[in-house]
Amino acid sequence: TQLLEQSPQFLSIQEGENLTVYCNSSSVFSSLQWYRQEPGEGPVLLVTVVTGGEVKKLKRLTFQFGDARKDSSLHITAAQPGDTGLYLCAGAGDRDDKIIFGKGTRLHILP
Amino acid sequence: ETGVTQSPTHLIKTRGQQVTLRCSSQSGHNTVSWYQQALGQGPQFIFQYYREEENGRGNFPPRFSGLQFPNYSSELNVNALELDDSALYLCASSYDSGTATDTQYFGPGTRLTVL
Repeated sequence: TQLLEQSPQFLSIQEGENLTVYCNSSSVFSSLQWYRQEPGEGPVLLVTVVTGGEVKKLKRLTFQFGDARKDSSLHITAAQPGDTGLYLCAGAGDRDDKIIFGKGTRLHILP
Repeated sequence: ETGVTQSPTHLIKTRGQQVTLRCSSQSGHNTVSWYQQALGQGPQFIFQYYREEENGRGNFPPRFSGLQFPNYSSELNVNALELDDSALYLCASSYDSGTATDTQYFGPGTRLTVL
């Protein structure tokens, strides 16, 4: 069974600080996605990474896929209150493209 | 705004009852997936439909069933509701291009409460 573990589960930091959240697995994924979900809404795709070692940037957000395609990280620079939300990583397996989600990191940025 | 809608927004049922949740996909999307998201958890894959046929299933019992229609709408049916079925049910539509990087567009979900 493929599992994705996210850490930390909860993170509360001051506006302007930097942070990194992690997504780890013992399984290899053909691709990995990061989503952000706000209360009362469905997850919204932020990025998809496909190649081992790949780094993608989306404004203040930097996403990295591990060389072995088993883990990923999301780094936010100068966090803002608008970054508050639930961040989910989701992997597509090598054998099929069904998406497996982690439990998420709940991020709260204090103004 | 993803173009994916779900109804109803909220629903309260009692144990043993049956429920039908509905999803309207983006036009042109041939694939719909359903997920269950319990409080404090990530979404769990229930099943996927591709061109009106089931195309993969997660670890959910047969009392969870679905349908996909040619007009880009779909249904999730749950029979013999249990308390643990209380969750947010999400549908996600996509166009299956045969790769693992197809983008899924999620609806806002239906919050089901079973009493």
